[in-house]
Amino acid sequence: DADVTQTPRNRITKTGKRIMLECSQTKGHDRMYWYRQDPGLGLRLIYYSFDVKDINKGEISDGYSVSRQAQAKFSLSLESAIPNQTALYFCATSDSMGQPQHFGDGTRLSIL
Amino acid sequence: GQQLNQSPQSMFIQEGEDVSMNCTSSSIFNTWLWYKQDPGEGPVLLIALYKAGELTSNGRLTAQFGITRKDSFLNISASIPSDVGIYFCAGLTGYALNFGKGTSLLVTP
Repeated sequence: DADVTQTPRNRITKTGKRIMLECSQTKGHDRMYWYRQDPGLGLRLIYYSFDVKDINKGEISDGYSVSRQAQAKFSLSLESAIPNQTALYFCATSDSMGQPQHFGDGTRLSIL
Repeated sequence: GQQLNQSPQSMFIQEGEDVSMNCTSSSIFNTWLWYKQDPGEGPVLLIALYKAGELTSNGRLTAQFGITRKDSFLNISASIPSDVGIYFCAGLTGYALNFGKGTSLLVTP
C-alpha cells in the first residue's frame, strides 16, 4: 500500500464547480503539503501544515483552501474552479524541519 | 519561491552512457534533494544531501552538495532504459522546498 494516498487520481469538472482533493498518509508524519505541477514550471507550493492546528499559505494559495482533519489527512479545495487551475496536484509529507518530503502519486485535474 | 536553474532541460542518450545534470541557485540551501518522476506518478526521492561538499551514492547514482551551498549535481552511470523519466533537483531551507524545472531523460536501447 502507498504511504501517501491521493484521491481521486483523475477528475474532470466544469468551471465554477467546487472540488475537493483528498490526501491521507500512513507515514506518521506531522507535516503535510499541497503542490501544483504545470508543464515546464516544476512544482509550486500551495499550502502546508505542520500539525492539525497549523495551516499556512504557500507560494500560490489564491483560489485554494485546505483542511487538516487529522494528522493523517489533509484536503485541498477549489471553491469555484477555473480553467487555469487545470494541473497535476501532489500531496507530500515530511517528518520534521529539514527532512525530505515524500509525495503521493498525484491527482490530474482538468477544468473545462 | 527561490529560483533554481536546472540543466540540461532534456537529454537523449544511448543505453550504457553516463549522464550528468546540475542545479544552481542564487540562494544558499541547507539541504539538496534529487527526485525522479515517472509518467503518471509522483516524484520519488533518489538522494538527499545535508552537508556542503557531501558526495553521496545510491547504486548507479551519485550526487554532490556544492561547497558554496548554491549548487548540486547528479550523475547516472551506465544508463539503462528504466532510467527514463524526469529528474528534479530541489533545495530545502526549513520547510520550503524549491524545485528546479526538471531534466527529461530519454534512453535508447
